[in-house]
Amino acid sequence: AQSVTQPDIHITVSEGASLELRCNYSYGATPYLFWYVQSPGQGLQLLLKYFSGDTLVQGIKGFEAEFKRSQSSFNLRKPSVHWSDAAEYFCAVGPSYLTGTASKLTFGTGTRLQVTL
Amino acid sequence: DAGVIQSPRHEVTEMGQEVTLRCKPISGHNSLFWYRQTMMRGLELLIYFNNNVPIDDSGMPEDRFSAKMPNASFSTLKIQPSEPRDSAVYFCASSFRQGRNTEAFFGQGTRLTVV
Repeated sequence: AQSVTQPDIHITVSEGASLELRCNYSYGATPYLFWYVQSPGQGLQLLLKYFSGDTLVQGIKGFEAEFKRSQSSFNLRKPSVHWSDAAEYFCAVGPSYLTGTASKLTFGTGTRLQVTL
Repeated sequence: DAGVIQSPRHEVTEMGQEVTLRCKPISGHNSLFWYRQTMMRGLELLIYFNNNVPIDDSGMPEDRFSAKMPNASFSTLKIQPSEPRDSAVYFCASSFRQGRNTEAFFGQGTRLTVV
């Protein structure tokens, strides 16, 4: 069964500092990986996704993520955090192709980012 | 496109009452998902539809929960009777799926409080 682990429940960084949010996944085939962001009271917004090709993926709002198959990881990074980045971040994994009923995404438990000024 | 539209945004109801949550997916999308988010359990997939047909409802907690998708532009999630432990934020999401998987677009959610 597919699963996602986000080991950090809560992270605090200073504005302007770099950020890395960890995500490890378990999946038996080629995964389709996502990072979503959820601001308070809002739905989830897609930041970036990885399907194949270049393992370094660029997303919106200056975020990037690197897929490392050997480590089963898909960590999210940003070189300089802004106060508006404070939110909850979710990593998700799913199959790259529809395979019967196995086409749903599995989400991690999320990492709450706090940004100090 | 206005995105995925959910209504109501907030719902407060008494235990035992029936609650209906509504979702309008993005036009042209053929898959629709209902998720529940709580502090304790995080984001859980309840059920999803492909081309209006329920594909996997294994996440539906119990028989009190039911979901329908009568057409491509509308879905409901019903809880009858509601209980305090059903209090959560319920998200609807839609995507276009044909062979290759694609990302899901989420609505803003319905915050349900059962007292």
